[in-house]
Amino acid sequence: DGGITQSPKYLFRKEGQNVTLSCEQNLNHDAMYWYRQDPGQGLRLIYYSQIVNDFQKGDIAEGYSVSREKKESFPLTVTSAQKNPTAFYLCASRDGQGGYGYTFGSGTRLTVV
Amino acid sequence: AQSVTQLDSQVPVFEEAPVELRCNYSSSVSVYLFWYVQYPNQGLQLLLKYLSGSTLVKGINGFEAEFNKSQTSFHLRKPSVHISDTAEYFCAVSQGGYQKVTFGIGTKLQVIP
Repeated sequence: DGGITQSPKYLFRKEGQNVTLSCEQNLNHDAMYWYRQDPGQGLRLIYYSQIVNDFQKGDIAEGYSVSREKKESFPLTVTSAQKNPTAFYLCASRDGQGGYGYTFGSGTRLTVV
Repeated sequence: AQSVTQLDSQVPVFEEAPVELRCNYSSSVSVYLFWYVQYPNQGLQLLLKYLSGSTLVKGINGFEAEFNKSQTSFHLRKPSVHISDTAEYFCAVSQGGYQKVTFGIGTKLQVIP
């Protein structure tokens, strides 16, 4: 079955280290997204990509970086510049234009100690 | 600009009772509307969506929502809830194309046995 795979499910890192979260989809979707979820704040858009080798900043891109070298993959790097990286990170993809909802991965919970 | 307001952060309801989760949106143009459900430590799953046509939309798990353009609302309802409906529910709006999707902050539905 097609879907989105995020790995790992749980991730622990020391403060000051960069960490990369994986997101892979086999849905043949053009657009991919990274959201951050914090309690009581809903989902906030970090980065998105509508096509390979192109991506745009979302609302809270500072301290994060992404790449889109393949249609199937959209990894997110949380850098040491991100002041409060502990959160639940969700990757999503979408095909078509607007009338289609997102397909979400199961998320990665990052804890920085 | 678009925004979504979910008026209730938590809604407790007894099992087999009806429930309504409220959602209001603001947008200067026509929108697509979505409801998602999130179970603990999982990604979001699409419940239903309104694109055009009939204002009453039926989704999975017995949920339905009604689009009211004059009141800019898209409330989610279920006539009889089950314990398994305990989850967080997110309302979302998009202006179509590859415009970003804006999420509400979520409503936690707690079904009491």
